[in-house]
Amino acid sequence: ELKVEQNPLFLSMQEGKNYTIYCNYSTTSDRLYWYRQDPGKSLESLFVLLSNGAVKQEGRLMASLDTKARLSTLHITAAVHDLSATYFCAVDIKGGSEKLVFGKGTKLTVNP
Amino acid sequence: NAGVMQNPRHLVRRRGQEARLRCSPMKGHSHVYWYRQLPEEGLKFMVYLQKENIIDESGMPKERFSAEFPKEGPSILRIQQVVRGDSAAYFCASSPTAGKAGTTYEQYFGPGTRLTVT
Repeated sequence: ELKVEQNPLFLSMQEGKNYTIYCNYSTTSDRLYWYRQDPGKSLESLFVLLSNGAVKQEGRLMASLDTKARLSTLHITAAVHDLSATYFCAVDIKGGSEKLVFGKGTKLTVNP
Repeated sequence: NAGVMQNPRHLVRRRGQEARLRCSPMKGHSHVYWYRQLPEEGLKFMVYLQKENIIDESGMPKERFSAEFPKEGPSILRIQQVVRGDSAAYFCASSPTAGKAGTTYEQYFGPGTRLTVT
């Protein structure tokens, strides 16, 4: 059974600081997704990572994928308050039905 | 292109009643997924459907829950005889027809239906 673990689950940081969220998964997969969710809202797609070594950047967020280590990271650079949200990584099972298995999420709070 | 649509957005049911949640996928999408999110948790897969077919229902509880995606009309997630533990946010996602290897199969999520059982 595919398991996806995120850490930390809660992250409080000050504006201007950098931090990394980690996403580990337990079985082979070559598609990893990062989503953002604001309270009471739906999921917004941030990144889709398709291959080993993939790196994508959008604004202050950068995501990377190491399929050999079964690890993805979401790096936050010079955090701002607007980045406060819950971030989920999700993995689909290689050759499976395309369903996504989600981590529990990292609740990020950026303090002024 | 309108996104994934779900209705109702909020639904309150008393224990023992039935809940019907609807999902209209994005135009051109023929794959629909239902996920459930409990408070402070990640999303859990429930069921994957294509038109008139259930492809994977491995995440569906064995009793009281059913899903369909008819040839015409929205996908329906039906919960019979609801209990308090069914209170959650239910998200629908859709994706395009499956493509070749390397296709993202990206799923686009609807706004969700928040079910409260009293």
